[in-house]
Amino acid sequence: DVKVTQSSRYLVKRTGEKVFLECVQDMDHENMFWYRQDPGLGLRLIYFSYDVKMKEKGDIPEGYSVSREKKERFSLILESASTNQTSMYLCASSGRFNQPQHFGDGTRLSIL
Amino acid sequence: SQQGEEDPQALSIQEGENATMNCSYKTSINNLQWYRQNSGRGLVHLILIRSNEREKHSGRLRVTLDTSKKSSSLLITASRAADTASYFCATGTRNSEKLVFGKGTKLTVNP
Repeated sequence: DVKVTQSSRYLVKRTGEKVFLECVQDMDHENMFWYRQDPGLGLRLIYFSYDVKMKEKGDIPEGYSVSREKKERFSLILESASTNQTSMYLCASSGRFNQPQHFGDGTRLSIL
Repeated sequence: SQQGEEDPQALSIQEGENATMNCSYKTSINNLQWYRQNSGRGLVHLILIRSNEREKHSGRLRVTLDTSKKSSSLLITASRAADTASYFCATGTRNSEKLVFGKGTKLTVNP
């Protein structure tokens, strides 16, 4: 079974802090994704990566960056956290050609 | 960019009844996928239907796809309280690895 592990289930940070969210998958998937999920807005894609060191902006990349130095790990970075980045963050991975995505359990991030 | 739109937004039924959720989308697709999300958890893939397929079954799930109407439906038969969750459709296209998710249908199955 594919396992996607996100480093924290709950996280509280302060405005202006640099925040790192980590995601690891164990199925050698090429693609990895970061979404945020907000009530009434559904899932919105922040960034995705289709290979090591390769990345592509999603629908809402502003205020975020990503890093993929190893195939199994995809990190989301909030450069300077703001209160409007309080949200549920979901990481996913998939094989190529529109294969189903496998999700982690999410990180509920609060920025105070 | 939101492609899939689920309907209804919320659905409440009794155990044993069937639940039908619909998804409409706007552009040509390669496949359409349905996911389930329990409260506070990640999404779980349920079923994938390709653009050249019309119907697919998996256990108590039945998915249909009508590309002429750009719509899909998910039917859960003989629902159980454990089916209570949010259900999302997601569309994939030939030239991208990204999926575009709808906003979901929140299903409540009352015991």
